[in-house]
Amino acid sequence: EAGVTQSPTHLIKTRGQQATLRCSPISGHTSVYWYQQALGLGLQFLLWYDEGEERNRGNFPPRFSGRQFPNYSSELNVNALELEDSALYLCASSLDPLFYEQYFGPGTRLTVT
Amino acid sequence: KQEVTQIPAALSVPEGENLVLNCSFTDSAIYNLQWFRQDPGKGLTSLLLIQSSQREQTSGRLNASLDKSSGRSTLYIAASQPGDSATYLCAADSGAGSYQLTFGKGTKLSVIP
Repeated sequence: EAGVTQSPTHLIKTRGQQATLRCSPISGHTSVYWYQQALGLGLQFLLWYDEGEERNRGNFPPRFSGRQFPNYSSELNVNALELEDSALYLCASSLDPLFYEQYFGPGTRLTVT
Repeated sequence: KQEVTQIPAALSVPEGENLVLNCSFTDSAIYNLQWFRQDPGKGLTSLLLIQSSQREQTSGRLNASLDKSSGRSTLYIAASQPGDSATYLCAADSGAGSYQLTFGKGTKLSVIP
């Protein structure tokens, strides 16, 4: 069974540009979560999608947005990139939000110069 | 707001030793507590999930316990091996419909051959 996949592996952008990160959940999983792991800040929750709807978002500005497609894959968009957006972005999926493990992908390393 | 603390921040042990990693959380109304392993620059590998109704879970040389009333969880690693060297992360949800995980900053484990 294929795990959570993310693309691209690495992404280099210039300040002010937009970045798009993609995530494909494990087959059958309907919930997708996005987390940011910035150096020194630990893992922080960004967004949660379930059944195509945004269910919750963390304490991040509106320029962080995303969506979930009918096949449950997801996209994270970061507009007006700032230097502090440089981080490892991790996507996770779960079979159901309640009582089920979250499985993580390998991440996308975003570097903003 | 859920807060998760892990102690110690770093731990170095000789190969073969048994060890305990500690995790505490502030909001006891959790559904799940999950332990992960992260190798440098990589995504997260799920180790164990403990549901709120459970007291412990075991997988191979790993045993995780949960005491909701005191807001504590421990991860016990038996007969440590150099391959166990990694950062171990504890994460808890916030219950009440907030299924995203709040992570501790991790314990960096080094097992010396």
